[in-house]
Amino acid sequence: QKEVEQNSGPLSVPEGAIASLNCTYSDRGSQSFFWYRQYSGKSPELIMSIYSNGDKEDGRFTAQLNKASQYVSLLIRDSQPSDSATYLCAVTGGGTSYGKLTFGQGTILTVHP
Amino acid sequence: GAGVSQSPSNKVTEKGKDVELRCDPISGHTALYWYRQSLGQGLEFLIYFQGNSAPDKSGLPSDRFSAERTGGSVSTLTIQRTQQEDSAVYLCASSQQGSGANVLTFGAGSRLTVL
Repeated sequence: QKEVEQNSGPLSVPEGAIASLNCTYSDRGSQSFFWYRQYSGKSPELIMSIYSNGDKEDGRFTAQLNKASQYVSLLIRDSQPSDSATYLCAVTGGGTSYGKLTFGQGTILTVHP
Repeated sequence: GAGVSQSPSNKVTEKGKDVELRCDPISGHTALYWYRQSLGQGLEFLIYFQGNSAPDKSGLPSDRFSAERTGGSVSTLTIQRTQQEDSAVYLCASSQQGSGANVLTFGAGSRLTVL
């Protein structure tokens, strides 16, 4: 079982729709959770961080965390073509591995006009 | 500096040669990470440095890979006797302590091609 799992996609949504990206993780001790966006040929950049159960909203982005189910998701409302990118879920380790940030394989999102 | 600086941006080498990749983190950032990204793949963790603590080397794929961080700042990733499967983009990232812990800022990467 991979430490952090994402559907690789591609996920295709029409402009203006809600894009839903999902991620599961295996380490129950994980404390910090992140979503990064990576445009083709570029380095990843942070979109959202979430540390406690529930929802966290930032503009058109909402991160959702459920530690009991070991599940974190990212919703993108009013999707725009400029949102087309690979979205990477990242999770810190538990215990002494707290500093180690493990990434999923990424989900490719395409927003078509 | 203002961002994470990596060099070289591109490196082409022959199989069996050694290569060194350099990372200069954001000033004041105590944590430094190396990841590898093969074409179309996610980020593979290699090594993590935090302050003066012993580095987490659990991601290094073989003993041909090593990394050091001098003076708590600049880091060098060394790959000895390179193989074709080492071809990838090597990404360095840094983060600060406290509320910014684990919030990574990435460099532009070093693209390694082993012929």
